[in-house]
Amino acid sequence: AQTVTQSQPEMSVQEAETVTLSCTYDTSESDYYLFWYKQPPSRQMILVIRQEAYKQQNATENRFSVNFQKAAKSFSLKISDSQLGDAAMYFCAYRVNRDDKIIFGKGTRLHILP
Amino acid sequence: EAQVTQNPRYLITVTGKKLTVTCSQNMNHEYMSWYRQDPGLGLRQIYYSMNVEVTDKGDVPEGYKVSRKEKRNFPLILESPSPNQTSLYFCASSRSGWGNEQFFGPGTRLTVL
Repeated sequence: AQTVTQSQPEMSVQEAETVTLSCTYDTSESDYYLFWYKQPPSRQMILVIRQEAYKQQNATENRFSVNFQKAAKSFSLKISDSQLGDAAMYFCAYRVNRDDKIIFGKGTRLHILP
Repeated sequence: EAQVTQNPRYLITVTGKKLTVTCSQNMNHEYMSWYRQDPGLGLRQIYYSMNVEVTDKGDVPEGYKVSRKEKRNFPLILESPSPNQTSLYFCASSRSGWGNEQFFGPGTRLTVL
């Protein structure tokens, strides 16, 4: 079965510091996409970053970057220079090419300490 | 403005009373999906649709129905709601293609007494 595991239910980081959220997944597929979505207190789900499994280069979007380790089936999210607006629930998600299902992890709640 | 809308945003109902949560998108997206979000369980996919008249089950379809008669609309139907369907529901849409971003609606908070 395809699963996505986020082992950190909650994390805290000091404002302006760097934090890494972990995500591992289980699949026998070789071609798939991985996503990180952010859900702030407003409940609106927002795409943060995505990575195709065939691309070796780690995706980067401004202060957000990923560490994609395909062999280890790991897809962690690094947030640099944390800001108060980064406080949210973060969800890791996975979608395999041959299927139309999307599997989400249980989420990590990130607190930013001023 | 490109958006996914859901109605109602909040609903309190009683066990067994049929209800429909509407979802509409104005982006001409082919793919639409319903999720439920529960504390400690994350988002779980209920049903999805690749296009008009094409729907398929997600991971937790029991107790739900959907239809896709028009491209823009994807209603979620609870024929006989039960308290274990109390949850936060999200509709989402995207262009076809498995790497595309999903755009989410604002969510519907459903309470079944």
